[in-house]
Amino acid sequence: DAGITQSPRYKITETGRQVTLMCHQTWSHSYMFWYRQDLGHGLRLIYYSAAADITDKGEVPDGYVVSRSKTENFPLTLESATRSQTSVYFCASRAHRDRGYNEQFFGPGTRLTVL
Amino acid sequence: QQQVKQSPQSLIVQKGGISIINCAYENTAFDYFPWYQQFPGKGPALLIAIRPDVSEKKEGRFTISFNKSAKQFSLHIMDSQPGDSATYFCAASRSGGSQGNLIFGKGTKLSVKP
Repeated sequence: DAGITQSPRYKITETGRQVTLMCHQTWSHSYMFWYRQDLGHGLRLIYYSAAADITDKGEVPDGYVVSRSKTENFPLTLESATRSQTSVYFCASRAHRDRGYNEQFFGPGTRLTVL
Repeated sequence: QQQVKQSPQSLIVQKGGISIINCAYENTAFDYFPWYQQFPGKGPALLIAIRPDVSEKKEGRFTISFNKSAKQFSLHIMDSQPGDSATYFCAASRSGGSQGNLIFGKGTKLSVKP
């Protein structure tokens, strides 16, 4: 199906474990993003990518690692999960435009609980 | 310079009433101001967006009002319906390229009572 998908949708893990959240988009959008959503904080940007093999930090990158070997995939890895990383994670993508609207399309989210 | 401040944090409106959510920004280079709507368990989705060359944009019951001199913009939902109950995020960015990353407000949870 076309669009942006995330997996898993729900994940429970333990402190110290490595966790990878997957994101896949079928639009060939240049830009991809990872956000976390927490009550009272809204959407905070973790990392973003302008193209394959180009990634950059957002507002809250500590404790996270990303890679982008293919345009359509943008996995987010928590190398050693902590309780403070319990959150809902959203992946998003948008096309590259020199001008024009910057509509971002969001995935359905992954609810991660770290025990 | 990069903040977008959104208020109120939560809002309760009666069915048929007007819902108003306000946002203020600091960076005068911003030229794209979208509103996103998020239902429980779903990702945010673009609702309506405006550029600063117009002061108002209307799409159905949803209107964005924009005040460039005050660096403020607001979302008005006319004839609010229970189905409008959701969390609304304002955002701002510069258009295009790698400077187009959205800066989001913290969100407003809207509840429309029947």
